[in-house]
Amino acid sequence: QKEVEQDPGPLSVPEGAIVSLNCTYSNSAFQYFMWYRQYSRKGPELLMYTYSSGNKEDGRFTAQVDKSSKYISLFIRDSQPSDSATYLCAMSARGGSEKLVFGKGTKLTVNP
Amino acid sequence: EPEVTQTPSHQVTQMGQEVILRCVPISNHLYFYWYRQILGQKVEFLVSFYNNEISEKSEIFDDQFSVERPDGSNFTLKIRSTKLEDSAMYFCASSDVASGDKYFGPGTRLLVL
Repeated sequence: QKEVEQDPGPLSVPEGAIVSLNCTYSNSAFQYFMWYRQYSRKGPELLMYTYSSGNKEDGRFTAQVDKSSKYISLFIRDSQPSDSATYLCAMSARGGSEKLVFGKGTKLTVNP
Repeated sequence: EPEVTQTPSHQVTQMGQEVILRCVPISNHLYFYWYRQILGQKVEFLVSFYNNEISEKSEIFDDQFSVERPDGSNFTLKIRSTKLEDSAMYFCASSDVASGDKYFGPGTRLLVL
């Protein structure tokens, strides 16, 4: 079983839709969970950072972690064409400077 | 807003040649990283660097790879004898001590022919 699995999509939604992006993982030691956004030909940009289980909200973005199911989600409300990008989940066990293990990324297109 | 910069943006080289990829991390950051992304695959960790030494490296980071902080601002990745399979996008990242949030540069696209 791969350490982090993420449906690569592509996912295409109309503007204003609620988007749900998900990752599953196998390593129960992971405690720090991140979502990165990557525009074409750019580096990953940190969107959300969550420790352990629970929800975190930042504007239109909500990150959820369910450690019992080893499942994390990113919800985007009122999606905009500018949200069109590849979304990468990443995680680590100890946080801080420890290496990140990434999912493959989900390519999202929001159509006007 | 401070950002990580990388040069060159693209590099084409012949198999067996040495390449040096350069990065300028965010100025008050103390941890530096290299990741790579082969086309269509995941972003993979290569190495982390702190206090002028490697703190962690992956199995990908073999003897052909080396990192250096030659001065107070630059952080480099050297590949001694490139192979076809080294073709990838190489990302530099940096983080401070407190939060550990990693900020990535725009990447160097390396093509080995």
